[in-house]
Amino acid sequence: KQEVTQIPAALSVPEGENLVLNCSFTDSAIYNLQWFRQDPGKGLTSLLLIQSSQREQTSGRLNASLDKSSGRSTLYIAASQPGDSATYLCAVLDDYKLSFGAGTTVTVRA
Amino acid sequence: EAGVAQSPRYKIIEKRQSVAFWCNPISGHATLYWYQQILGQGPKLLIQFQNNGVVDDSQLPKDRFSAERLKGVDSTLKIQPAKLEDSAVYLCASSLGRTGEQFFGPGTRLTVL
Repeated sequence: KQEVTQIPAALSVPEGENLVLNCSFTDSAIYNLQWFRQDPGKGLTSLLLIQSSQREQTSGRLNASLDKSSGRSTLYIAASQPGDSATYLCAVLDDYKLSFGAGTTVTVRA
Repeated sequence: EAGVAQSPRYKIIEKRQSVAFWCNPISGHATLYWYQQILGQGPKLLIQFQNNGVVDDSQLPKDRFSAERLKGVDSTLKIQPAKLEDSAVYLCASSLGRTGEQFFGPGTRLTVL
């Protein structure tokens, strides 16, 4: 059974600092990995999807890397802003099923 | 392009009552998912449809939960009778295919008293 872990559970940084969010998974036979953002009381917004054959994916200030062999992914957010405050979840797809971590709640202080 | 639509956004019921949620996926998306998200946890898959057929309902509590996707478009999820532990956010998602990027709706927050 796939287990996805996100550490730390919460993170607080001053505005302008770069964010580094970690995700680990137990079974490396994944099809892809997605990073999502969730604002309080809202649904999930897809940020980046990395196929298993890819090493990284970039969108604006966001960059996600994938090391499938070691079961790790990292989401980097450059020059953080207060608007980046949210919970970030990673999820891996295997056996046609998306397994989620519990998320990292980020607070960016102005 | 319109996103995934869900209704209602909020629902409060007494235990042992029944409740139904509705989802309309992104146009053209063949795969539809229902997830349950308990506070502080990541979403857990309840059921997955490919067109109008169920392809995975292994984590659906079938004694009280049911779902259907008639005509391969919109879907309803029903709980009957509800228990206190069913209090959660119910999320609907869709994708082009079973390995595609999943897009989520705003969710329905259910409170069972």
